Amino acid sequence: GIQVEQSPPDLILQEGANSTLRCNFSDSVNNLQWFHQNPWGQLINLFYIPSGTKQNGRLSATTVATERYSLLYISSSQTTDSGVYFCAVERKNSNYQLIWGAGTKLIIKP
Amino acid sequence: DTGVSQDPRHKITKRGQNVTFRCDPISEHNRLYWYRQTLGQGPEFLTYFQNEAQLEKSRLLSDRFSAERPKGSFSTLEIQRTEQGDSAMYLCASSFPNYGTLVETQYFGPGTRLLVL
Repeated sequence: GIQVEQSPPDLILQEGANSTLRCNFSDSVNNLQWFHQNPWGQLINLFYIPSGTKQNGRLSATTVATERYSLLYISSSQTTDSGVYFCAVERKNSNYQLIWGAGTKLIIKP
Repeated sequence: DTGVSQDPRHKITKRGQNVTFRCDPISEHNRLYWYRQTLGQGPEFLTYFQNEAQLEKSRLLSDRFSAERPKGSFSTLEIQRTEQGDSAMYLCASSFPNYGTLVETQYFGPGTRLLVL
C-alpha cells in the first residue's frame, strides 16, 4: 500500500522562528491534506492541497505531485502552534479513504 | 456549536466487556468515517458510511468491531469482548462532497479515549 513519511518527527523551536515540515508519499494520490492536532487531541484541517501552493495567514503549503512530496511552512511561530502536524493522502479509487503519516510533533517555547 | 460531537469523551473498561461509542456528524454531511489512533501514530481508517450504507471497512476492523449508521445521521461503533490492544483514541469525522470543486474536507470530532484494563 501507499506509504506516507513525515519529517522531522520532532521539532522544538523558540517563539517567532520559522519552520518547514515535509511529507513524502510513495504513489500517485487523488489529494493531500495537512492537519493540526492540538494537545487535547482535536484534529483541524489546515489545507486541502493536491498540487500547487496555498497560504492561510502564517501558514502555507506546497505540493509537488509529480515528485510526490508536500511542504508545510509555519512562519513567526506562536506557542499555540504547538501540537502534531499530520499529512494525509487519499489514494486513488479509495472512496476518500485517507492514509496518514506518523506526524511531526512541534513544540514552540515562549 | 454544530461541529462533530462524540460521546463519551473517555471510557475505561475491563477486558472482555463490550463498549459502544456514538458520533453525531455535522447535520448536512452525508459521509461519516471512523478512525483509530494509538499513541504517537497518525489515525488509521476503520470504516466509512455514505448515508446509511457502510461502503468500506478496513482489515483492521475485526469481527469484534461493528459500526452502524441506521438513519444516515448519527453512528455507533461497538467493540465486543474488548482487549487491552483496543486501547486507543477513536475518532469520527464527517464530510460533504463538493461536486463542483471536488474538494472534500473531513471535519473531526474530539474523539473517545478508550482504556481497557
